[in-house]
Amino acid sequence: LAKTTQPISMDSYEGQEVNITCSHNNIATNDYITWYQQFPSQGPRFIIQGYKTKVTNEVASLFIPADRKSSTLSLPRVSLSDTAVYYCLVGASFSGTYKYIFGTGTRLKVLA
Amino acid sequence: EAQVTQNPRYLITVTGKKLTVTCSQNMNHEYMSWYRQDPGLGLRQIYYSMNVEVTDKGDVPEGYKVSRKEKRNFPLILESPSPNQTSLYFCASRFSTGGNEQFFGPGTRLTVL
Repeated sequence: LAKTTQPISMDSYEGQEVNITCSHNNIATNDYITWYQQFPSQGPRFIIQGYKTKVTNEVASLFIPADRKSSTLSLPRVSLSDTAVYYCLVGASFSGTYKYIFGTGTRLKVLA
Repeated sequence: EAQVTQNPRYLITVTGKKLTVTCSQNMNHEYMSWYRQDPGLGLRQIYYSMNVEVTDKGDVPEGYKVSRKEKRNFPLILESPSPNQTSLYFCASRFSTGGNEQFFGPGTRLTVL
């Protein structure tokens, strides 16, 4: 299993773009990179997933460089409601990943 | 509505009294998993199940049992709870292929006295 490393915490202001980088030096060829968001006392919620280059959905973008040893979750124009913990995971369900290591995630605090 | 449900949501019990936390999903997912979350330690995987009658240990399986007799249900059993199992527990499910998007339940807050 590829271990991931993320900053412990980040602060931002409303309306700013936030970029959270995750390091996964031992990522395997078949692994996907997946990001989750968790609010206090709630279960994590899937945000976005990607394999390479860039993926964008209605809430975030995910940037993955060619070597895939890191990835960056980009949240455009954050609001107070984006205050949460963000987790980066790597794995590949279709090639047999059943164990997941969430780590402690990045605690994002959005300030008014 | 597609969802993962857990019961109970809150439970206070005493050391040694067997308990079961139920988990059910209505999305026909093959894969289900249990996690515990403790302050400063993040989410740690307890057990997972790839399909009916197929289960395996996660990172912290000691003191827990699971069973998967039906596709939709994946109960977590604590045969003899101890105070160090006081935690917030989450159940999750996903399809066996197609990505790593897991759907999480609302959580069960367990206190063992």
